Amino acid sequence: GAGVSQTPSNKVTEKGKYVELRCDPISGHTALYWYRQSLGQGPEFLIYFQGTGAADDSGLPNDRFFAVRPEGSVSTLKIQRTERGDSAVYLCASSSWGGSDNEQFFGPGTRLTVL
Amino acid sequence: GIQVEQSPPDLILQEGANSTLRCNFSDSVNNLQWFHQNPWGQLINLFYIPSGTKQNGRLSATTVATERYSLLYISSSQTTDSGVYFCGGAPGTALIFGKGTTLSVSS
Repeated sequence: GAGVSQTPSNKVTEKGKYVELRCDPISGHTALYWYRQSLGQGPEFLIYFQGTGAADDSGLPNDRFFAVRPEGSVSTLKIQRTERGDSAVYLCASSSWGGSDNEQFFGPGTRLTVL
Repeated sequence: GIQVEQSPPDLILQEGANSTLRCNFSDSVNNLQWFHQNPWGQLINLFYIPSGTKQNGRLSATTVATERYSLLYISSSQTTDSGVYFCGGAPGTALIFGKGTTLSVSS
């Protein structure tokens, strides 16, 4: 596609439920990133994929968060037993590769609200 | 970890004025990007500028990597420039962002 796409654009769920957020990167981009942005803050890194593997998951806040990218393109961020503190905008970005020349392009985000 | 400080936090301008936004890093970064976050939350790429100077229309940016800072210049501001400006630097691959500068341009 022309840019990074994310679905859904909005997700409202109840505390304790499971959610999946999808990211479709720019075609041909091998590096994919997930970030989370809370109100009034800059985005915070969650996890980075190079191809199919998670090269860096140091930003995941706890083991309720998990992400996959099984075919090296689309990625899914999975959150188990959601908590109200998980409410935020989840942003996905992609870049052509994960080395030093690494301009990242962001999708429109998924706004997650946990009631 | 690396700290990113943006200044000023808020900026109010009259249309036509010029402004300078600053981004300081506590440690060296490989990559540096400036973004404009529009009212719908989309991060729009402005500059990819690990070092040197770039210009794009009324906007320009300079990064002095050895001194760990970057500047974004906006000239002849317009109301459509309003929004939040973020810088992000990557010591590795992931971007570390500042808290942003909120710019309001009035006509």
